[in-house]
Amino acid sequence: AQKITQTQPGMFVQEKEAVTLDCTYDTSDQSYGLFWYKQPSSGEMIFLIYQGSYDEQNATEGRYSLNFQKARKSANLVISASQLGDSAMYFCAMRPLYSSASKIIFGSGTRLSIRP
Amino acid sequence: SAVISQKPSRDICQRGTSLTIQCQVDSQVTMMFWYRQQPGQSLTLIATANQGSEATYESGFVIDKFPISRPNLTFSTLTVSNMSPEDSSIYLCSVEEGTEQYFGPGTRLTVT
Repeated sequence: AQKITQTQPGMFVQEKEAVTLDCTYDTSDQSYGLFWYKQPSSGEMIFLIYQGSYDEQNATEGRYSLNFQKARKSANLVISASQLGDSAMYFCAMRPLYSSASKIIFGSGTRLSIRP
Repeated sequence: SAVISQKPSRDICQRGTSLTIQCQVDSQVTMMFWYRQQPGQSLTLIATANQGSEATYESGFVIDKFPISRPNLTFSTLTVSNMSPEDSSIYLCSVEEGTEQYFGPGTRLTVT
């Protein structure tokens, strides 16, 4: 069975500081993709970053980077130089690749609040 | 990335009525997904909709309650039938594009 665990229900960070949001996963699939989404109060799910299980380099997208440690089954999101607009819910997600029954599953989320 | 729109963006409905949510994608996609997010919760997959075949529902969701149409490769609808206050949620459609997955802006439903 697949599972995503986010152990931080909420976090407060000072503006301009870096923040790490934790995510661990469990899967028996050899090929899978890991995702991070941002959900502001408006409710939309904004795709932030993707990491494939066979990617050797950690994914980066602007201020977002994914600290992928395959042996530890962790996929932490790092946001550098946080901004007030980063305040939102953040969801880690995973999907097996190359499977006919492929569906994305989500963690419980972390609410990030940036202090001015 | 795929651009996804949903209508309506929000609605307030009375119990016992039904609401149909539309999802439009700017490109042809094989599979479309419908998710529900209850207040304060994470996302739960309702069903997967392939064009030309019946939708595949996840455990706990049934076609009579959440009928889905998929008439072509860019459009799908989800109906929430015989609504109760427990159906108050955000409903999101989603598509795969390669290895990535994108979501529509969501429909915020409140049932009174």
